Amino acid sequence: GAVVSQHPSRVICKSGTSVKIECRSLDFQATTMFWYRQFPKKSLMLMATSNEGSKATYEQGVEKDKFLINHASLTLSTLTVTSAHPEDSSFYICSARDWASGGALGETQYFGPGTRLLVL
Amino acid sequence: GQQLNQSPQSMFIQEGEDVSMNCTSSSIFNTWLWYKQDPGEGPVLLIALYKAGELTSNGRLTAQFGITRKDSFLNISASIPSDVGIYFCAGQIASGSRLTFGEGTQLTVNP
Repeated sequence: GAVVSQHPSRVICKSGTSVKIECRSLDFQATTMFWYRQFPKKSLMLMATSNEGSKATYEQGVEKDKFLINHASLTLSTLTVTSAHPEDSSFYICSARDWASGGALGETQYFGPGTRLLVL
Repeated sequence: GQQLNQSPQSMFIQEGEDVSMNCTSSSIFNTWLWYKQDPGEGPVLLIALYKAGELTSNGRLTAQFGITRKDSFLNISASIPSDVGIYFCAGQIASGSRLTFGEGTQLTVNP
C-alpha cells in the first residue's frame, strides 16, 4: 500500500510554545489529507480536512487558530499546535487520500504512524 | 451524522481460533475499510471494500461489504499472537468525504 510518513514521531514541548507536525505522502500525491486526534483506548477523532492550495475545513469544536493547518504541496501537510497547553497532549495522526487506490470503484486513506505530543 | 456500531468491543481468544467482528451503520456507505492499529502506531489498512456484496480476502483475513451497504464484517482465521491489536472499521458515504470510524475491537490472542 501507499506510504505516509509523519515527523516527528514524538515531541515534548513547554507550555506556551508552538509545535509543528509534518505529514508526507511518500509515493503518491494527495490533494486531501486529514488530521486526527486520538485519546487512549478511543477511536480516531477527525480534527480537520486539509486541501492542497486552499483553507482547511475544521470540525466543530476544533479551534482553527490553535491548530493551524497548511497544505502547501500535493505531498505535504503540516499541523501547528500554537500556544500549546498540557491538555493538548495527545496522539495526532494524519491520513492521505489516495484517490486512485480503488481504481474506478473508489478510494481509500492511508495513515501516518502518528505523533505523540507531550506538553509540560 | 453517520454512526458506526462496532462489536464486540474486545475479544480474548486462544491462538488458532477464528475471530469475527462487525460494524453496522445507520447510513449507507459506498466504501468500507478495515484497519489494524498497534500500540503507539497509526492504523494500517487491511482490506478495502467498494461494492455491495463484495467479499475480499487478504491472507487469513476476509471481509465483506454487506448487501444493504449498511454493514460489514471482518473475519480472521487461525489467529496468531501478532494479530493482537485494535481493529477499526471505517465507512465512507461518497468519494472525497470523511471517514466515519467504529469504536474499535481490541483483540487479545493468548498463545
